[in-house]
Amino acid sequence: GNSVTQMEGPVTLSEEAFLTINCTYTATGYPSLFWYVQYPGEGLQLLLKATKADDKGSNKGFEATYRKETTSFHLEKGSVQVSDSAVYFCALSDAYTGTASKLTFGTGTRLQVTL
Amino acid sequence: DADVTQTPRNRITKTGKRIMLECSQTKGHDRMYWYRQDPGLGLRLIYYSFDVKDINKGEISDGYSVSRQAQAKFSLSLESAIPNQTALYFCATSDPEQGLGETQYFGPGTRLLVL
Repeated sequence: GNSVTQMEGPVTLSEEAFLTINCTYTATGYPSLFWYVQYPGEGLQLLLKATKADDKGSNKGFEATYRKETTSFHLEKGSVQVSDSAVYFCALSDAYTGTASKLTFGTGTRLQVTL
Repeated sequence: DADVTQTPRNRITKTGKRIMLECSQTKGHDRMYWYRQDPGLGLRLIYYSFDVKDINKGEISDGYSVSRQAQAKFSLSLESAIPNQTALYFCATSDPEQGLGETQYFGPGTRLLVL
């Protein structure tokens, strides 16, 4: 079956530091990959996505590249801000198993950014 | 106004009680989902519905039931609540016309405590 593994948190960084949150996946078909973000007290919202190998998703200074050879979709940002403090979820959907919209989530990584 | 709303936002109930969590959306999406979030476990799918006449079990449906009253409304019921159903519950919607990489839109969540 499908699964997503992401690095355990919490991750604590100083403002303007470089961020990497690792995500690897297992899928039987050809998944689309996502990063969702959950700010305190809110629901999840899409941060970025990629639908095929070598695609790069980007938004708000965050980037992730779909690497089929390493089955990875690591999230990066060059300079984090206090406002980036949130929980980040890696997820996949598998279009070729007839369940294109069903998401499989990782366990989430909490990011805390301090001044 | 929020596109996906959930009521109540917080609920405390006792073991054995039947409770209903409600979700409404104004996005006009056919697909709706219920998830629960537990610390360290990420989000897990309880039920999903691809249209008003379609209801499907997710990975953790035992102890739950759903009703799709209209395109815009999808309710989750706990028939006889137990303490290990204490969790944060999210409703989400999606639009299949997006094709690959279908984005899900989440409500703000309902925090449920079962005593």
